[in-house]
Amino acid sequence: QKEVEQNSGPLSVPEGAIASLNCTYSDRVSQSFFWYRQYSGKSPELIMSIYSNGDKEDGRFTAQLNKASQYVSLLIRDSQPSDSATYLCAVNWGGSQGNLIFGKGTKLSVKP
Amino acid sequence: NAGVTQTPKFRILKIGQSMTLQCAQDMNHNYMYWYRQDPGMGLKLIYYSVGAGITDKGEVPNGYNVSRSTTEDFPLRLELAAPSQTSVYFCASSYNNEQFFGPGTRLTVL
Repeated sequence: QKEVEQNSGPLSVPEGAIASLNCTYSDRVSQSFFWYRQYSGKSPELIMSIYSNGDKEDGRFTAQLNKASQYVSLLIRDSQPSDSATYLCAVNWGGSQGNLIFGKGTKLSVKP
Repeated sequence: NAGVTQTPKFRILKIGQSMTLQCAQDMNHNYMYWYRQDPGMGLKLIYYSVGAGITDKGEVPNGYNVSRSTTEDFPLRLELAAPSQTSVYFCASSYNNEQFFGPGTRLTVL
């Protein structure tokens, strides 16, 4: 069964701290992994994609992938109140562009 | 570029009515998708298309139909609306596996 699991939160961190968001997936053949940010009432916005084991950094965001453990994470350094949103993990299922499976999302709250 | 556009933004339907949700993209992407998102839930794929004239079912296709006559447009048709179709609908297009979403249509069926 295709599953992408995320802790629903809410995850609350103080401003300036590191926020750590986690995601596990069940399909061993998945090749592409994505993090989307969704503000309340808005559409998802792609913030990170990762395809290889290890870390990928983009500004304050770092995505980490461990295919052996079927685990992908997103770290947000120097968290800001504007980072408060729901973060959706998405996994490309079976290698096809038509098959992204989304987790239910983790709600992040950054307190000033 | 306008990106992915959707109309209408909001709609209220009565049970049994039909409607078409419009989606268009100006990025010349071959792949397009329709999702629904229910409160507290992730995105569920309804239908997708890999190019003009080619469509396929996603995870939750029942009660919906699609067509893709051009690269730009990918309308979603609801026939005989039911309360279970109350949701927010997102259209997306993709390039190199990265999907870009439209602003969404909030649909209520009463």
